Amino acid sequence: AQSVTQLGSHVSVSEGALVLLRCNYSSSVPPYLFWYVQYPNQGLQLLLKYTTGATLVKGINGFEAEFKKSETSFHLTKPSAHMSDAAEYFCAVSAGSGTYKYIFGTGTRLKVLA
Amino acid sequence: KAGVTQTPRYLIKTRGQQVTLSCSPISGHRSVSWYQQTPGQGLQFLFEYFSETQRNKGNFPGRFSGRQFSNSRSEMNVSTLELGDSALYLCASSHGTQSYLGNEQFFGPGTRLTVL
Repeated sequence: AQSVTQLGSHVSVSEGALVLLRCNYSSSVPPYLFWYVQYPNQGLQLLLKYTTGATLVKGINGFEAEFKKSETSFHLTKPSAHMSDAAEYFCAVSAGSGTYKYIFGTGTRLKVLA
Repeated sequence: KAGVTQTPRYLIKTRGQQVTLSCSPISGHRSVSWYQQTPGQGLQFLFEYFSETQRNKGNFPGRFSGRQFSNSRSEMNVSTLELGDSALYLCASSHGTQSYLGNEQFFGPGTRLTVL
């Protein structure tokens, strides 16, 4: 069975500071990993995904994440936070055969301080 | 290309009633998934349809059901509503087939259901 754990339900950073949102996964088979962002009153939008190949994945809006198999982690980072990054971020895993089920983490709400 | 659309956007019902939510996927997408989002439980998978067939189901009671039509549009129905069913219901579509799990899911804006 697959699972995802996001550490920290709320994270605050100053504008211009590093953003680090943590995600650890559990999967008995090679996982596909995703980060989604949700702005207020909107659906989820894909930031980036890891399927196979390069372990450092670059996404939209300057975000990137590194797949570390040994640590079962897929942390999301951005070098410099912008006010517009304030949103809720979800890590998700999709794995297995014959299934199209995403398992989402509980989300991390990012607050950016001026 | 138009995105995933969900109707209605907001809905208020009373306990015991039933409700039907609609989702129109992106043109060409054949997979539609439904999720329930609540502050306490986060995003919970309800079910997924591909080519009119339900091929995966989450851990929800039988009051929650869905279907997909030949044009890939999907509906979900909740019967005998309970207060705890108040949530944002999200629909997501994907071009993916059963064999490729890495396809992106495109989410609609959701239907916010309030049960009084």
